[in-house]
Amino acid sequence: EAGVAQSPRYKIIEKRQSVAFWCNPISGHATLYWYQQILGQGPKLLIQFQNNGVVDDSQLPKDRFSAERLKGVDSTLKIQPAKLEDSAVYLCASTSGTGGSEKLFFGSGTQLSVL
Amino acid sequence: GDSVTQMEGPVTLSEEAFLTINCTYTATGYPSLFWYVQYPGEGLQLLLKATKADDKGSNKGFEATYRKETTSFHLEKGSVQVSDSAVYFCARTISSGSARQLTFGSGTQLTVLP
Repeated sequence: EAGVAQSPRYKIIEKRQSVAFWCNPISGHATLYWYQQILGQGPKLLIQFQNNGVVDDSQLPKDRFSAERLKGVDSTLKIQPAKLEDSAVYLCASTSGTGGSEKLFFGSGTQLSVL
Repeated sequence: GDSVTQMEGPVTLSEEAFLTINCTYTATGYPSLFWYVQYPGEGLQLLLKATKADDKGSNKGFEATYRKETTSFHLEKGSVQVSDSAVYFCARTISSGSARQLTFGSGTQLTVLP
């Protein structure tokens, strides 16, 4: 079974530039999450999708971050413009359930460095 | 808000030593509790879980018991191996409106020396 795929693996940009991350969840998984993991901290939820609809984006900094999940499969997360404090690993996770006690499957993440 | 607090690292042990990583959670609702592990260069993966009080989760020699009276879910292993070196995250379910999600602790780095 293929896992959660994320790309790129690494990205280095200058502040005020834009960047996009891509995630392909496990086939058939209806629920998809984007997490931000700052060095030395645990993952922090940014947004949760159920199929192609947003379930919770209350922690997404909407002035600069946006995300979409067209057709309920792949998802993209965009930052525009980036700030120094956005340097982190961006993790995508998926699950077949609705996000309760089910197992989450994580991708390897995209490491973003903002200079 | 709902959260988990886990012991700060890093933790360094010799092979075959006993491991305990402490985790406590806020006592709101009826959360499920989890331990996730992140090996170097890899994504987080589920290690074990417990869904109600007094449940014991176990996997790969690791155990954790859901203690409602102490709001704790401590991770233990009787004899660690070098291959157990990783970052360990405690997590609990939270509800945000109709959404159900996980909130994670800050992680504990474990290094096991041969």
